[in-house]
Amino acid sequence: GQQVMQIPQYQHVQEGEDFTTYCNSSTTLSNIQWYKQRPGGHPVFLIQLVKSGEVKKQKRLTFQFGEAKKNSSLHITATQTTDVGTYFCAGRAGSYQLTFGKGTKLSVIP
Amino acid sequence: NAGVTQTPKFRILKIGQSMTLQCTQDMNHNYMYWYRQDPGMGLKLIYYSVGAGITDKGEVPNGYNVSRSTTEDFPLRLELAAPSQTSVYFCASTPGGDIQYFGAGTRLSVL
Repeated sequence: GQQVMQIPQYQHVQEGEDFTTYCNSSTTLSNIQWYKQRPGGHPVFLIQLVKSGEVKKQKRLTFQFGEAKKNSSLHITATQTTDVGTYFCAGRAGSYQLTFGKGTKLSVIP
Repeated sequence: NAGVTQTPKFRILKIGQSMTLQCTQDMNHNYMYWYRQDPGMGLKLIYYSVGAGITDKGEVPNGYNVSRSTTEDFPLRLELAAPSQTSVYFCASTPGGDIQYFGAGTRLSVL
């Protein structure tokens, strides 16, 4: 079945440093989504990428979808304490189902 | 507009007991999903539904059952609870199979 690998599993950064998480799929995806889950909370949708090579920005967050539509990344510039949480990618390969990566847990040291 | 509502928020079960996790959404979404989240393991799909009367298995359906008699409700039934079912359960809905809206979750412990 479809697998979505996400690295790193954990990342500790000093406030103000940049952060990147990477997502790789075993199959070509029709789209990829990113979610953020705050500690003790539920996943909240951030963005969806559909096109090959697509890049989208949300303030300090930059999302990329690879040319082959099998990988994606989320980059946060100048992290803040409000960025703390677990970031999940989730890929869809043409079905009704999303396959989630295991997530990257971000800790920000003030 | 409440979105996706899950009840209960917390529950402790004894081994062998049964319970139903409730999920209801008021957004008239056709697609609904049940996930479980174990520590460090991401979200695994248990069951999903593409509309009232239609359900299908996800990645980890064993030990669970679902029904979808209305668009709004998608309850998850645990029969004969086992310690391996200790987890956080999330229900989600989506209008067209894309952006998923999650409920606050049910934290279940089976002892």
